[in-house]
Amino acid sequence: ETGVTQTPRHLVMGMTNKKSLKCEQHLGHNAMYWYKQSAKKPLELMFVYSLEERVENNSVPSRFSPECPNSSHLFLHLHTLQPEDSALYLCASSPSFFRSGANVLTFGAGSRLTVL
Amino acid sequence: KQEVTQIPAALSVPEGENLVLNCSFTDSAIYNLQWFRQDPGKGLTSLLLIQSSQREQTSGRLNASLDKSSGRSTLYIAASQPGDSATYLCAVFSGSARQLTFGSGTQLTVLP
Repeated sequence: ETGVTQTPRHLVMGMTNKKSLKCEQHLGHNAMYWYKQSAKKPLELMFVYSLEERVENNSVPSRFSPECPNSSHLFLHLHTLQPEDSALYLCASSPSFFRSGANVLTFGAGSRLTVL
Repeated sequence: KQEVTQIPAALSVPEGENLVLNCSFTDSAIYNLQWFRQDPGKGLTSLLLIQSSQREQTSGRLNASLDKSSGRSTLYIAASQPGDSATYLCAVFSGSARQLTFGSGTQLTVLP
């Protein structure tokens, strides 16, 4: 398998549930990202990992907890979410974390989350 | 704070037309600008990347231009086809933000 793979593609959860989103990249990239895409709003960067170290955290509520066990895998652990957290969560990877700005991101297909 | 605006929010054209999508950004100190395509329920596909030192990039029927001083970019699509129907997103990377800042996108529909 190639590219960036996200599972599950769709997830429905209650406000008291605990679930996780998984992202896997087979591109040999060193940086991985979580983005949130809500209806009619621009993509919002949530977390960035470079070589398994978190380098950016854009003031995301603690009910979202990322984990990067190695450079190929990225998780987003979800706990006690709110209905307004319903969105498309996109994972992306790039050869390295933006320093020169020359890297192109490869995106996964996304995980559609609905919080009831 | 970098802000990216895309106009129009939605566009519907008959097949075969040439069209232009617009993107503007508030902080001209950017490293690069990217155009992405997003199909319904899918992730983003990178179409073109323009470095800050470049004025334009071309890929097939797509041509993207960049005027950094005025904070503008355009994506020109020639001879549009129904398969071009998608949402087109513009994103800029600026050193101050240390991340890509996205616009809200233009939803394009090409009618057969």
